[in-house]
Amino acid sequence: KQEVTQIPAALSVPEGENLVLNCSFTDSAIYNLQWFRQDPGKGLTSLLLIQSSQREQTSGRLNASLDKSSGRSTLYIAASQPGDSATYLCAVGGRLWPNTGNQFYFGTGTSLTVIP
Amino acid sequence: DAGVTQSPTHLIKTRGQQVTLRCSPKSGHDTVSWYQQALGQGPQFIFQYYEEEERQRGNFPDRFSGHQFPNYSSELNVNALLLGDSALYLCASSWMNTGELFFGEGSRLTVL
Repeated sequence: KQEVTQIPAALSVPEGENLVLNCSFTDSAIYNLQWFRQDPGKGLTSLLLIQSSQREQTSGRLNASLDKSSGRSTLYIAASQPGDSATYLCAVGGRLWPNTGNQFYFGTGTSLTVIP
Repeated sequence: DAGVTQSPTHLIKTRGQQVTLRCSPKSGHDTVSWYQQALGQGPQFIFQYYEEEERQRGNFPDRFSGHQFPNYSSELNVNALLLGDSALYLCASSWMNTGELFFGEGSRLTVL
């Protein structure tokens, strides 16, 4: 069974700092990997999706990388802002079977606090 | 373009009761997945529906069942509620061929 681990569990940084969130997974036979943001008591907001054939994806101040062979992904946030404070979740998608789809395995997240 | 919508947002039930949660997928999506998120944990996969059939199922008992309608909307039913069923229930929609998930705001279930 796929196991997803996120380190650190919590992170507190001053505004303006660049930071890296880590995600590791045990089974490299993945279809894709998706990073989400979750505000307290809310649903998940998709940040970036990386297909298994890709090495990285960028959106604004966010950059996600994927190293399938080592079972790792990182989310880089540049010039952090107080509005970035949230829990960040990594989700690994298993094989995408025709007409069956895939399920995603989630880590427990990294709780980020950006101090003004 | 409406995103994924879920109802109700909050509900309180007692042990042994039954609950039905509803989800409308994002426009253009044909697949609906349900996840359970306990406090402080990551979401856990319950099951996935495509073409009105359950296609994949996670490690959840038969008390958890679902349905997908011809308009792609979906319901999650939980029977014989236990205290441990208290959680945020998240619906995610996707297009079968891409797998990228888009989530709703969730339904917060409290079982007393």
